[in-house]
Amino acid sequence: DAKTTQPTSMDCAEGRAANLPCNHSTISGNEYVYWYRQIHSQGPQYIIHGLKNNETNEMASLIITEDRKSSTLILPHATLRDTAVYYCIVRVQEGGSYIPTFGRGTSLIVHP
Amino acid sequence: DVKVTQSSRYLVKRTGEKVFLECVQDMDHENMFWYRQDPGLGLRLIYFSYDVKMKEKGDIPEGYSVSREKKERFSLILESASTNQTSMYLCASSSIYHKLGANVLTFGAGSRLTVL
Repeated sequence: DAKTTQPTSMDCAEGRAANLPCNHSTISGNEYVYWYRQIHSQGPQYIIHGLKNNETNEMASLIITEDRKSSTLILPHATLRDTAVYYCIVRVQEGGSYIPTFGRGTSLIVHP
Repeated sequence: DVKVTQSSRYLVKRTGEKVFLECVQDMDHENMFWYRQDPGLGLRLIYFSYDVKMKEKGDIPEGYSVSREKKERFSLILESASTNQTSMYLCASSSIYHKLGANVLTFGAGSRLTVL
């Protein structure tokens, strides 16, 4: 699997957009980018994933650069409840061992 | 709502005790996983299972064993607990038939184990 690099921590003001970057320069053509988040004292929760097109769902938007070497998770209007650790993972969608490897992620703090 | 349920949120055990951590999922998922999470180390995979009675070692299996006698239940066993096994333990499940694909894991709330 391609390795990912994320900043250790970030902060954001409530109501503003939170933009969380992830570098995955060794990503291969059939690997997807997945994002999870973990709120304190809970298990990680799936947010969104994509291959090369930008994706949006009710939780967030995912922007993947044209060369696919990096991506950004966007929380358009961050709330205090979005304070969590965010994990970026790169995996093939079909085949493989379906065992996502979670790094240390980015600790996002949303402040009032 | 789909659920992965871990039997205990908090446990305190003594060194040398045998510890069972139970995990049950109600989604008919084939794949189940046990991770442990420690500050600064992220989630590390202990064991996983693709099917009933099947198990595979993850990255840190030493000191642990697992049991999967039924599809919905995956148990993590510490044969003789040690203080360095004090950690948060997370169970997860997934399915290749999930509409979002097999890499979408559903996690339980976690079990925080303290070994004295």
